[in-house]
Amino acid sequence: KNQVEQSPQSLIILEGKNCTLQCNYTVSPFSNLRWYKQDTGRGPVSLTIMTFSENTKSNGRYTATLDADTKQSSLHITASQLSDSASYICVVSAEQAGTALIFGKGTTLSVSS
Amino acid sequence: DGGITQSPKYLFRKEGQNVTLSCEQNLNHDAMYWYRQDPGQGLRLIYYSQIVNDFQKGDIAEGYSVSREKKESFPLTVTSAQKNPTAFYLCASSRNRANYGYTFGSGTRLTVV
Repeated sequence: KNQVEQSPQSLIILEGKNCTLQCNYTVSPFSNLRWYKQDTGRGPVSLTIMTFSENTKSNGRYTATLDADTKQSSLHITASQLSDSASYICVVSAEQAGTALIFGKGTTLSVSS
Repeated sequence: DGGITQSPKYLFRKEGQNVTLSCEQNLNHDAMYWYRQDPGQGLRLIYYSQIVNDFQKGDIAEGYSVSREKKESFPLTVTSAQKNPTAFYLCASSRNRANYGYTFGSGTRLTVV
């Protein structure tokens, strides 16, 4: 069964600190992996998208890594800001025409001052 | 600017009523999707459409209906048959079946009163 598991479920860090969020998946055949940021009451916004051949991709202070062999991805946030407080969702796309994305349940990040 | 618009942002429904959520996109995307989001759960697919006048059931289609009369529009009706409709509803669109250019709307929060 295609699944995406994220950890931790929630995380609290101090402003300025770094953090890493984890994503494990069992989706096959794999097409691409995406990380989204979702502010409370808003729609998800894409941070990064990586295909099988990409190991890392950055978007400002956000850096995503992908290990297609172990089927793991991480999202590293550097020098966190209060505005980083949100839910971060890992999403995997299977290589099948017409198939929608497979979503993880998300990690809720709270950045405090 | 191109984008995807959901309306209304908040919607209240009485028991036994049908309500329709609007989703409009001007991105010239072929595919459109409806998701339901509940606290602590990943997004769940309700319906999707890859071309005009055609749509497919997702994982939780019972109690919902859709139409795709125009490429730009994909309204979702929550019928009285949906026993637990209170949730956050997200509409999305993508360029094609391969999910490129996947974009979410800002969501509609539906509450049964």
